[in-house]
Amino acid sequence: KAGVTQTPRYLIKTRGQQVTLSCSPISGHRSVSWYQQTPGQGLQFLFEYFSETQRNKGNFPGRFSGRQFSNSRSEMNVSTLELGDSALYLCASSLATSGGPEQFFGPGTRLTVL
Amino acid sequence: GDSVTQMEGPVTLSEEAFLTINCTYTATGYPSLFWYVQYPGEGLQLLLKATKADDKGSNKGFEATYRKETTSFHLEKGSVQVSDSAVYFCALSDNAGNMLTFGGGTRLMVKP
Repeated sequence: KAGVTQTPRYLIKTRGQQVTLSCSPISGHRSVSWYQQTPGQGLQFLFEYFSETQRNKGNFPGRFSGRQFSNSRSEMNVSTLELGDSALYLCASSLATSGGPEQFFGPGTRLTVL
Repeated sequence: GDSVTQMEGPVTLSEEAFLTINCTYTATGYPSLFWYVQYPGEGLQLLLKATKADDKGSNKGFEATYRKETTSFHLEKGSVQVSDSAVYFCALSDNAGNMLTFGGGTRLMVKP
């Protein structure tokens, strides 16, 4: 069974640009969550999608958005990039809807903003 | 809101030494508790979990017990190996959804 895949693995952008990251969950998983990992702030929850609906959202500005498609694949978009958006963005998928399920993480997309 | 606090690293041990990484949490209700491990250049892997008080999670020689009275979920291993060198994250989920709240991570370095 293939794991969670994220594309691209590495990305370099300049301030003011926008970026789209993609995540393909494990087959059969309908929940996809996104996390930002930085040395200063650690791992922070961005949002979660389940059956194409955003179910939870973390404390991030509106420049961060996401969506989920009918095949459960998800994308996140960051507009008007800032230097502080440089981070590892991790996607996780889960089979269950709630109740402390196991989340399977992808390898991440390393975004560098210059 | 929910929060997780874990001991800062790095923790440096010799091979076969005993490992403890402390983790305490603040949450309303009865969260599920997790330990994740991150190897260099990789995403997170679930190491073990516990979903209710007094549960013990275990995997690959690692153990942690859900202690509600002390709001703790300390990670232990009796004999570490060089291959255990990684960053370890304690996390909780409030069971209302799939949102994980993570601690700051503890880097473990094991020397031969």
